Order: sequence, then structure tokens, then C-alpha cells
Amino acid sequence: ETGVTQTPRHLVMGMTNKKSLKCEQHLGHNAMYWYKQSAKKPLELMFVYNFKEQTENNSVPSRFSPECPNSSHLFLHLHTLQPEDSALYLCASSQGRLARGLLDTQYFGPGTRLTVL
Amino acid sequence: GENVEQHPSTLSVQEGDSAVIKCTYSDSASNYFPWYKQELGKGPQLIIDIRSNVGEKKDQRIAVTLNKTAKHFSLHITETQPEDSAVYFCAASKGDKIIFGKGTRLHILP
Repeated sequence: ETGVTQTPRHLVMGMTNKKSLKCEQHLGHNAMYWYKQSAKKPLELMFVYNFKEQTENNSVPSRFSPECPNSSHLFLHLHTLQPEDSALYLCASSQGRLARGLLDTQYFGPGTRLTVL
Repeated sequence: GENVEQHPSTLSVQEGDSAVIKCTYSDSASNYFPWYKQELGKGPQLIIDIRSNVGEKKDQRIAVTLNKTAKHFSLHITETQPEDSAVYFCAASKGDKIIFGKGTRLHILP
């Protein structure tokens, strides 16, 4: 176990549904991340939260909406998704820092396997 | 933008032999290079990393080399074992940006 948990592990949803993915880290870290992992494509960084502030949004469509209420929890709210959004969504955490600098070691959760029908 | 190329996409080696996976990156400002191992049904796990002020790093059977001039870095696994079978990802980063390679599926043959 890496200390990062994600729920649910599997999710099937229709294009008109609204659902949320949850991530929790028990490592005392201050930075959390959402990644998308699709078949035959590299891991794509979606969002970065450093000390609860969103510091990165890699041109992610607005149908994905992140929320970071505290340093231990991260959510990804989903609405009106498309079939091409089907993928493994991974959460990660790291120590984080107050100033931009060298990216530190990230610890990944097991992911949520999302299928959009 | 930054691009990371990883080769090969699939690699099969006999148990006990060595495995080498290579990555190249495009942004010379990248300064942190982690390697992750992902087993079926799990998230990626860091196995070794190297920073740009170091040329080589070793941890038991795993080693990573970095050539900043050529902008490439490699993962070396010696005396491979069945539990080394997994997908391996390289990555290059600077600041808060990180770009991953597409991954190498490593099969250890009995």
C-alpha cells in the first residue's frame, strides 16, 4: 500500500450522469495530483494542487472539475462526459512546497477505472 | 513542449538476464527523471529516480544512467526475476511539470 486510496475502484456512467472520484492520502503530504491513463498513451497530468491551491490545469475540459478541500483529500467531479473519457484516473501525492521548484517524488493510488457509455 | 520517447514498447528477457529500457527527452531544462513500475491493477510505484546533477544511481539490481548532453536516460535491471514483470514508465520534469513516456511492458521468461 502506498498510503494513497481512491474510491470507487471501478465506475460505469452514462454521458448525462454526474459522479465524483475521491482520493485520500495518509502520508502528510501537501501536494496532490490527478492523472489520466489511457491505453497506448502516456500518463497525462490533469491537475496539481499544492498546499490546497490549484497550480496546474493542463488544458483539461471543463467537464472535469477538481476540488481540494484540504491537503489530505482530492475530488474529481465528472459531468456530461464523453466515451473517449473512459480511462484509468490516478491520484498521486507528494511532499509539495511553498515555492515552485523541483518536482518531488509522487506516490500513486491504485486508480479508478472509468467507463463512459 | 517537452516530449519523452521511450523504447522499446515491449521487452522479453530470460530470467536472470539483464533488461535495459531507454528514454530520450527534448527539453534541456528538465532536471528530474523518475522511473515508475506499474503492476496489473495497481498505480505506478517509484522504483528509482535521478536528478540532473548526477550521472548514475544504483539501488541493488536497479540502476539508472543520465546523459544530459545527449538528453537520454536509461533503466538497467540486472539478474531479472519473475516479479520484475510489469510496465515501466520513465518521466522527465522541471518545476511542476512532468511528462511521461508511453511505457515498456517487460516480460520475464522462465
